[in-house]
Amino acid sequence: GAGVSQSPSNKVTEKGKDVELRCDPISGHTALYWYRQSLGQGLEFLIYFQGNSAPDKSGLPSDRFSAERTGGSVSTLTIQRTQQEDSAVYLCASSQAGGSNEQFFGPGTRLTVL
Amino acid sequence: GNSVTQMEGPVTLSEEAFLTINCTYTATGYPSLFWYVQYPGEGLQLLLKATKADDKGSNKGFEATYRKETTSFHLEKGSVQVSDSAVYFCALSAPGGANSKLTFGKGITLSVRP
Repeated sequence: GAGVSQSPSNKVTEKGKDVELRCDPISGHTALYWYRQSLGQGLEFLIYFQGNSAPDKSGLPSDRFSAERTGGSVSTLTIQRTQQEDSAVYLCASSQAGGSNEQFFGPGTRLTVL
Repeated sequence: GNSVTQMEGPVTLSEEAFLTINCTYTATGYPSLFWYVQYPGEGLQLLLKATKADDKGSNKGFEATYRKETTSFHLEKGSVQVSDSAVYFCALSAPGGANSKLTFGKGITLSVRP
């Protein structure tokens, strides 16, 4: 079946602009995660959605970052007023509910802020 | 908080050499432990996992044993191939709770020469 998909694959934007990144998880996966992969910080957790529960936003680096998940499926990560330090690869993953279940990762969106 | 420490890289080996990549962790309780691999141009994928002490995860000739006494999960392979060239990440997910977010090590780049 189809894996996790993300769009766009690459995004170049100017400092101060807003961007939206999209994630389509594997059908039937109730858990969805966003991570960020950058040279300086490695792989960092950003936010977690599980079913209809309130999301765990503890990894979001600032209030310029937000995410939503509509209908328990597609998720959008929004970065407002982008800064150069936001440049990174943003990864989405999905899994069966919690525990040690394998997280399946998408190919990522490479964001470059000029 | 939880953390994962991997040995510094990069690592360059000749084909058929023995591979060890060290990984140690800090966490309360009994986390689940993972090795993820990122091949050139591809997304992150699970290589192997172990969910309790003394468990051995194995896949594609790679092995890692969950050692509670040394808080380690070292990755080994007896004979590496050129196709094993990739970036390897050690990770953990904390026990209990609803959020199984992954905490990653910095990753290590392995290059295998023919």
